[in-house]
Amino acid sequence: GIQVEQSPPDLILQEGANSTLRCNFSDSVNNLQWFHQNPWGQLINLFYIPSGTKQNGRLSATTVATERYSLLYISSSQTTDSGVYFCAGNPSGGSNYKLTFGKGTLLTVNP
Amino acid sequence: NAGVTQTPKFRVLKTGQSMTLLCAQDMNHEYMYWYRQDPGMGLRLIHYSVGEGTTAKGEVPDGYNVSRLKKQNFLLGLESAAPSQTSVYFCASSRGINQPQHFGDGTRLSIL
Repeated sequence: GIQVEQSPPDLILQEGANSTLRCNFSDSVNNLQWFHQNPWGQLINLFYIPSGTKQNGRLSATTVATERYSLLYISSSQTTDSGVYFCAGNPSGGSNYKLTFGKGTLLTVNP
Repeated sequence: NAGVTQTPKFRVLKTGQSMTLLCAQDMNHEYMYWYRQDPGMGLRLIHYSVGEGTTAKGEVPDGYNVSRLKKQNFLLGLESAAPSQTSVYFCASSRGINQPQHFGDGTRLSIL
């Protein structure tokens, strides 16, 4: 199966700072998604972004499918952005339904 | 519009007991999934369904069974619970294979 590597594993920010989270895939993927798991454990789908760039408020994401990576940008971070950010995808081609998750980036935003 | 609802939210079982976790979605999604989340392991797919009446094995299916008798419901069963099945279980659904997955709030299950 594909390998999903996320960096950095941990990140501590002061409120108002910007950050970039990265996700690398070992092979071509479809279905690339970014999720936020908040401190209460809820998993929220942030972006479905198999290619290109999308923006939603202070968050944006870019996927370069040909180079097998995706970036999540958080601008003007707030304490409510704290939690774990996961990226996930499944291998291109075939009928593989298995969405493989990275191990996540733990983000802490301090007031 | 509740999205994906999981019941129960918490449960403690003794080794050997059985139980069923229920997932219900009101988005008319075809695809449904069960994942488990363990520290250091991330989320792993247990079973999934591509439509009413269908089920298939995921990455870690042993010890679990599933059923999708109605499109909106996906049940995960543990026939004889083991301590290794202590985990947080998440259900998700999507309109299709290459579509965003939407998750429930999770079920925290402890097996003593």
